[in-house]
Amino acid sequence: DGGITQSPKYLFRKEGQNVTLSCEQNLNHDAMYWYRQDPGQGLRLIYYSQIVNDFQKGDIAEGYSVSREKKESFPLTVTSAQKNPTAFYLCASSRPGVYQETQYFGPGTRLLVL
Amino acid sequence: AQSVTQPDIHITVSEGASLELRCNYSYGATPYLFWYVQSPGQGLQLLLKYFSGDTLVQGIKGFEAEFKRSQSSFNLRKPSVHWSDAAEYFCAVGFISNFGNEKLTFGTGTRLTIIP
Repeated sequence: DGGITQSPKYLFRKEGQNVTLSCEQNLNHDAMYWYRQDPGQGLRLIYYSQIVNDFQKGDIAEGYSVSREKKESFPLTVTSAQKNPTAFYLCASSRPGVYQETQYFGPGTRLLVL
Repeated sequence: AQSVTQPDIHITVSEGASLELRCNYSYGATPYLFWYVQSPGQGLQLLLKYFSGDTLVQGIKGFEAEFKRSQSSFNLRKPSVHWSDAAEYFCAVGFISNFGNEKLTFGTGTRLTIIP
């Protein structure tokens, strides 16, 4: 079955700690995205990548970092500089094209601060 | 800049009744429009999308949406809701950024509650 997997489902972060959220897809999609979801605010774009070894900041990139070394993988690191990391994090992927392609979403990771 | 407004934060509907969720967008060019649904603690699932052509779009689970350019709207409808439709619904507009990348802007969502 093709799809997007995110792990872990729940993640706990201590003060001053960096944590990494995993996102893997086997859809052969070139583009991948990270969103943050907070109650009442919808989804906000953190980072996106249109191709391997290239990525761009989204609307709320401060305190986050990403890498894109493989087409299938787009891990997100929440650094200690992100002062309010508690949220639901969603990864998505799509085939970039001339027309807007559908973004397919993973099941999400909920990050909580201890 | 592009934006999406979902004016209803929460809607309650009786099972079997009809449903309409509102979505208004702001975008200078021809929009690409999407409706997604999210069950609690889950990812988003695409219900339907509009790129061009027929302004009435059919989606999964019996949903449809109508694109009205004159009103900048893309409202989601279902003639008869089922208890399993209880979820949060997001409208989104797709666009090409200044750097040529494809991006989505989401509305803040409408939470749908179904009562017996």
